[in-house]
Amino acid sequence: DAGVIQSPRHEVTEMGQEVTLRCKPISGHDYLFWYRQTMMRGLELLIYFNNNVPIDDSGMPEDRFSAKMPNASFSTLKIQPSEPRDSAVYFCASSLTRATGQETQYFGPGTRLLVL
Amino acid sequence: GIQVEQSPPDLILQEGANSTLRCNFSDSVNNLQWFHQNPWGQLINLFYIPSGTKQNGRLSATTVATERYSLLYISSSQTTDSGVYFCAVVFDAGGTSYGKLTFGQGTILTVHP
Repeated sequence: DAGVIQSPRHEVTEMGQEVTLRCKPISGHDYLFWYRQTMMRGLELLIYFNNNVPIDDSGMPEDRFSAKMPNASFSTLKIQPSEPRDSAVYFCASSLTRATGQETQYFGPGTRLLVL
Repeated sequence: GIQVEQSPPDLILQEGANSTLRCNFSDSVNNLQWFHQNPWGQLINLFYIPSGTKQNGRLSATTVATERYSLLYISSSQTTDSGVYFCAVVFDAGGTSYGKLTFGQGTILTVHP
């Protein structure tokens, strides 16, 4: 399997512009997660989906952030309008529910976002 | 509050040395993972270990859930082991917390040749 795929790998944009990050989870996985990593706050969960349905978005910083999962193989995280404080590495991860319950989350390579 | 604390924050080793990284967590967990973030920023799964002991080559991990800690052992360290090691847990909140990994702040490991 190719693992979790994210695009773009790097994004540089100007304040006020819309940014769209993309993720393709591992085939067959039923959970998808979006995380953000910054020096100040470390790694933090933003939102996660189960079977394409958003389950918990309590980590989404504000209304400028939105996430969608239109089908089992694709998700987007959108920031509109972007601000310099949104600069971070954004990771997507996926996992598969098993009879035993919780399972390993596999992370994509991340998108490094810089907002000028 | 809910916390995941890792120690030491920084560790410098000579190639060939052994090391132990520790992760303390403040409440019951039903998922615990160890990750290695390499110098290119990629998060690599090392272990899924909510309890018990596992080994993978030069790495091994032990989680004592009742005492709320986990240990990651690195033996015969190599320069490629350098990077940041994260412990992440899902706290047991009666089924409402599935998948909500809470990360520690990491241990920065540097292995010199």
